[in-house]
This record gives sequence, structure tokens and C-alpha cells, in this order.
Amino acid sequence: QKEVEQNSGPLSVPEGAIASLNCTYSDRGSQSFFWYRQYSGKSPELIMSIYSNGDKEDGRFTAQLNKASQYVSLLIRDSQPSDSATYLCAVNRGDSSNTGKLIFGQGTTLQVKP
Amino acid sequence: DTGVSQDPRHKITKRGQNVTFRCDPISEHNRLYWYRQTLGQGPEFLTYFQNEAQLEKSRLLSDRFSAERPKGSFSTLEIQRTEQGDSAMYLCASSLGPRTGPVYEQYFGPGTRLTVT
Repeated sequence: QKEVEQNSGPLSVPEGAIASLNCTYSDRGSQSFFWYRQYSGKSPELIMSIYSNGDKEDGRFTAQLNKASQYVSLLIRDSQPSDSATYLCAVNRGDSSNTGKLIFGQGTTLQVKP
Repeated sequence: DTGVSQDPRHKITKRGQNVTFRCDPISEHNRLYWYRQTLGQGPEFLTYFQNEAQLEKSRLLSDRFSAERPKGSFSTLEIQRTEQGDSAMYLCASSLGPRTGPVYEQYFGPGTRLTVT
């Protein structure tokens, strides 16, 4: 079992729809959760961070965390073609030394069709 | 520009040659991370520094790899005797730290794409 798992996709949604991206993690001690967006050939760009159970909203993006289910998701409302990218879920395991080391999933490719 | 910068952006080298990459973090960040990313995969942690101290190295970092952050500012990653399997995007990220509880957010540089022929 991978430490952080994502469906590689592609996930295809029409423009204006809600895109839902999911991520599961294996370490129950994980404390910090991040979503990065990565356009082809570019580096990851941080779009959301979440640390507590529940929802966190930022513009068109909502991150959802459920530590009991070891599940984190990202919702993108009113999807635009410019949202087409790979979305990476990253988890910090909260080790005692608190290095901040991130464990990434393989990413989900999102395609938003006009 | 106050973001993370990396140099060079692209490097093509022949197998067996040595290469060195540089990373300049966001100025107020005292933590610096190196990751490696291959096609279709998420970034994999290589090593990290808090100020000038290298505090953790991944088992992915063989003895051909060495990283330094001599004055707690910029960092270099050197790969000796490159192999074709070293071809990847090498990413640098920086963050504030340390702290107790949830970690600070990491911001990535543009990466250095290495091709070993």
C-alpha cells in the first residue's frame, strides 16, 4: 500500500462543473495536508493547506479533511479550462522530529473541457 | 522576485559526468528541501536543511549525491558519476520552521530538469 494514494485519472469535467479530487493516506499520525497544482513541465504550486477535520474554503477551492477515514479531498467549483493540470496531494506524517518532509501521491490529472 | 529560484533550469550531461544544481530559497525561510520527480510520479523527498544543518537524508540519496547549505542561505545539490537513472526534475522547496504542531507550507522553485545521455 502506498503511503499517499490518488487516482491518476484523467478526470474529465465540463467547464463550469465541480471537480472532485480525492486522496487517501496510510499514516494515522499525519498532521498536515496540502494540495499542489502542477501544469505540464512546471513545478508544483501550493493551492491549499488543511490541518483540522472539516472544510476549508479559498475562492473556488474547498479542501476537506476526515482524519478518521484518512481521507482528504479537493473540490474545484466552476471549473475552468485553465484548471486543467495535475493535482498532487501531499501529507506530512508528523514525525517526532517534525522535519516537514512531504509524502506525495502520484497526482490526479484533471481535464476541464470547454 | 521573492520566490524560490533554481539554476540551471535545464541540464544535459553525459553519463559519468558530475553536475551541480543551485537553489536560492525565499529569504526569510530557514528550511530548505530537495525533492526529485520523475514522469508520472509525485515528488520524492531527498534531503532537507534547517539553516546550515542537513538534518535528514532519504535512502534515495546514494553516496553519489551530496547537498550543502554552507551559510544557511542557498543550497547546492551535486551528483557525481551521473547515471541515466538520475534523469529527473530536481525540485527545491523552502519553508519557515521549526515549529510544534502542523508544519509550515513549502513553496517550490521552478526545478532543474536533468537529462543524462
